[in-house]
Amino acid sequence: GIQVEQSPPDLILQEGANSTLRCNFSDSVNNLQWFHQNPWGQLINLFYIPSGTKQNGRLSATTVATERYSLLYISSSQTTDSGVYFCAVVNSGYSTLTFGKGTMLLVSP
Amino acid sequence: DTAVSQTPKYLVTQMGNDKSIKCEQNLGHDTMYWYKQDSKKFLKIMFSYNNKELIINETVPNRFSPKSPDKAHLNLHINSLELGDSAVYFCASSQEWDPSYEQYFGPGTRLTVT
Repeated sequence: GIQVEQSPPDLILQEGANSTLRCNFSDSVNNLQWFHQNPWGQLINLFYIPSGTKQNGRLSATTVATERYSLLYISSSQTTDSGVYFCAVVNSGYSTLTFGKGTMLLVSP
Repeated sequence: DTAVSQTPKYLVTQMGNDKSIKCEQNLGHDTMYWYKQDSKKFLKIMFSYNNKELIINETVPNRFSPKSPDKAHLNLHINSLELGDSAVYFCASSQEWDPSYEQYFGPGTRLTVT
């Protein structure tokens, strides 16, 4: 099956810093989603982005499908950004999400 | 107006018991899923239903039996619970059985088996 690798596995930031999270995948995809799992365990949809670039406030994401990677940018990080960020993809020919192992982000005040 | 809801949110039970988790979506979607998140936070698909029909069963033990009474509901029944079943179970839905549609997740049910 498709492999999804996220980097870095852990990230510690000071409040106000910027960061870039990366997601590499091993095959072509029809769907790519970024999620934030907050400290209470909720999975929050951030972006549905099988290709191109999207922005939502301080967050933006870019997927280059031909090169099989996606990037999530967090600018001016806040403590509420802490949690685990997951990238998940749907391989062409399938319909279920395959998740990466996540990036654990801690933003300290 | 929660889109995908699950009950209960927390479930603590003893080994050997049988329990159910319920999921409802009010998005009018055709396809629903169960995912399991283990203690290392790894998320993996368990089942997928489309229009009440089972489409995918990812080699889950047959102690797990999903049931879809209608398109808006997908319940998960677990027999003879084991310690290894402790996990967070997420329900999700998408508009159609098509990989290009976004999936929306419920809040999760944290199951603890003692």
